[in-house]
Amino acid sequence: EAQVTQNPRYLITVTGKKLTVTCSQNMNHEYMSWYRQDPGLGLRQIYYSMNVEVTDKGDVPEGYKVSRKEKRNFPLILESPSPNQTSLYFCASKGEWNTEAFFGQGTRLTVV
Amino acid sequence: AQSVTQLGSHVSVSEGALVLLRCNYSSSVPPYLFWYVQYPNQGLQLLLKYTSAATLVKGINGFEAEFKKSETSFHLTKPSAHMSDAAEYFCAVSDRGGYQKVTFGTGTKLQVIP
Repeated sequence: EAQVTQNPRYLITVTGKKLTVTCSQNMNHEYMSWYRQDPGLGLRQIYYSMNVEVTDKGDVPEGYKVSRKEKRNFPLILESPSPNQTSLYFCASKGEWNTEAFFGQGTRLTVV
Repeated sequence: AQSVTQLGSHVSVSEGALVLLRCNYSSSVPPYLFWYVQYPNQGLQLLLKYTSAATLVKGINGFEAEFKKSETSFHLTKPSAHMSDAAEYFCAVSDRGGYQKVTFGTGTKLQVIP
């Protein structure tokens, strides 16, 4: 089954404690991206990647890092999380540039 | 820069009534347009997409949308609402010519009243 898998689904952490949210897709897609969803703001893109070792900033990259060492994986790293990064995070992948994105189930992150 | 405006953060309709969710876009080049649906505690699922073929696009679950270039709109409709349609709906735009970004609207929560 074609899917995008995120882990964990839920995470509560403390300010400043580094964390990684993993994302993996099994569709051999070149393009992957991370979004955060906040009430009233819709989905905002954090980072995207067009291929292995090719990443770029989206609309809200501050406080986040990503890496793309393998085609299937695109982890999101919060080096020093802060409470304003409490949000619902989605990973997405897409194939050709004129096709739709496939989304993971989301990771609800709470930073206290 | 591309952008999407969804009018109405909350829409309520009676079961069996017409569903109309509005989306207007701004793009410097002919866009690709998408509607996604998000059920509670789930990710986003594609409803339908416009990629420059027919201007009236049919999607899943009885939804359809019409691309109107003159109005820069891509409104989502369904003739008869069902209780299972209650969800949040997102309109999104993507420029042609490469994957720079997909820009989402702020979403519209649809409530279906029995």
